[in-house]
Amino acid sequence: DTGVSQDPRHKITKRGQNVTFRCDPISEHNRLYWYRQTLGQGPEFLTYFQNEAQLEKSRLLSDRFSAERPKGSFSTLEIQRTEQGDSAMYLCASSVTGDEQYFGPGTRLTVT
Amino acid sequence: AQTVTQSQPEMSVQEAETVTLSCTYDTSENNYYLFWYKQPPSRQMILVIRQEAYKQQNATENRFSVNFQKAAKSFSLKISDSQLGDTAMYFCAFLYGGATNKLIFGTGTLLAVQP
Repeated sequence: DTGVSQDPRHKITKRGQNVTFRCDPISEHNRLYWYRQTLGQGPEFLTYFQNEAQLEKSRLLSDRFSAERPKGSFSTLEIQRTEQGDSAMYLCASSVTGDEQYFGPGTRLTVT
Repeated sequence: AQTVTQSQPEMSVQEAETVTLSCTYDTSENNYYLFWYKQPPSRQMILVIRQEAYKQQNATENRFSVNFQKAAKSFSLKISDSQLGDTAMYFCAFLYGGATNKLIFGTGTLLAVQP
């Protein structure tokens, strides 16, 4: 097992386009988190899954954002009608107990 | 609401020297966890050290140790014998053990280790 993986690592898109990111957690980690990190800031919580259930969403997650975790394995984060303000690093983390979270390398999104 | 404050945006230290990074937090909870994460340039976030609030003893991991002052809500990180590979952004993070266990991060301290 090589840890949390995320795909793609970089994404450049034009304003108004839809994008989808994927996160593969560490095997048997039933908890999965999405965070967003903008330049010069610490990561901010977006949403949380326990197995396939999405149990919490931040107010940062507008209606244009949707996340899924079918079958409780990998997760996807989709952003519809992207805006320049969506440009950020999107981080995924997984955990067994919730108190130690292991992060992936992130997907850097640039909206032009 | 919980908040985490890192008041040192940047710090510099000579190789082999010791450096201390500061962090303060605000919470009304009694049971929680504190973490220091390291984010090297263009690389992923790595957990450096953790501290459970109910433990009085300060956590230590090799060259990394913390000074946890619960009453003062202070959680500093000491790096001994600094190495070039320690150059990174360091984030202090708070976790309240509720249903979600979401991390709340500070704004980070950029540490540069000079040869």
